[in-house]
Amino acid sequence: ETGVTQSPTHLIKTRGQQVTLRCSSQSGHNTVSWYQQALGQGPQFIFQYYREEENGRGNFPPRFSGLQFPNYSSELNVNALELDDSALYLCASSSLEIQGYTFGSGTRLTVV
Amino acid sequence: LAKTTQPISMDSYEGQEVNITCSHNNIATNDYITWYQQFPSQGPRFIIQGYKTKVTNEVASLFIPADRKSSTLSLPRVSLSDTAVYYCLVDQDNFNKFYFGSGTKLNVKP
Repeated sequence: ETGVTQSPTHLIKTRGQQVTLRCSSQSGHNTVSWYQQALGQGPQFIFQYYREEENGRGNFPPRFSGLQFPNYSSELNVNALELDDSALYLCASSSLEIQGYTFGSGTRLTVV
Repeated sequence: LAKTTQPISMDSYEGQEVNITCSHNNIATNDYITWYQQFPSQGPRFIIQGYKTKVTNEVASLFIPADRKSSTLSLPRVSLSDTAVYYCLVDQDNFNKFYFGSGTKLNVKP
């Protein structure tokens, strides 16, 4: 039981469409980060939010955006989907009181 | 920014101790070293975190030499269920950026 839930678990979208992925963090976890994991590779850091503000970003274009809400939920939005966006998208949350991040099981996005 | 280098894969047998080493030559003063375990179709799971010398918890030990340019995750007496990919991560807390390497695929055989 991870305490971080992501929805949906699987999703198929068409190239050019927009997608919103959702994450519900553990209560009290005011830091959330999102990762993209292509098949056979390690997770790639997209961005991190702390208290509803983005405070770190990896090498992803602006069409990847996010939101964090006061109720410890967050969203990852991807516009103008490309075939290479097909991947497992992982949400992870943490707080200053714990070590490391707690990851969800991810959303498998397929772009066709 | 610190990048990490790990062996691509390792084989072991049940009951053996497994040591996985990670290189992070450009680690910064304030960076911590964290290890995660990942099973197929699941998110990574936190194993252990350390800054220097040795850290031990109920599942693993982490050894970090004085220069902190590498670290070694030690798994005592592995079982088949330890077959997974293990990632070394340098927490670039100053920049709030976190980089996983390609990981080490550990295969535990009976």
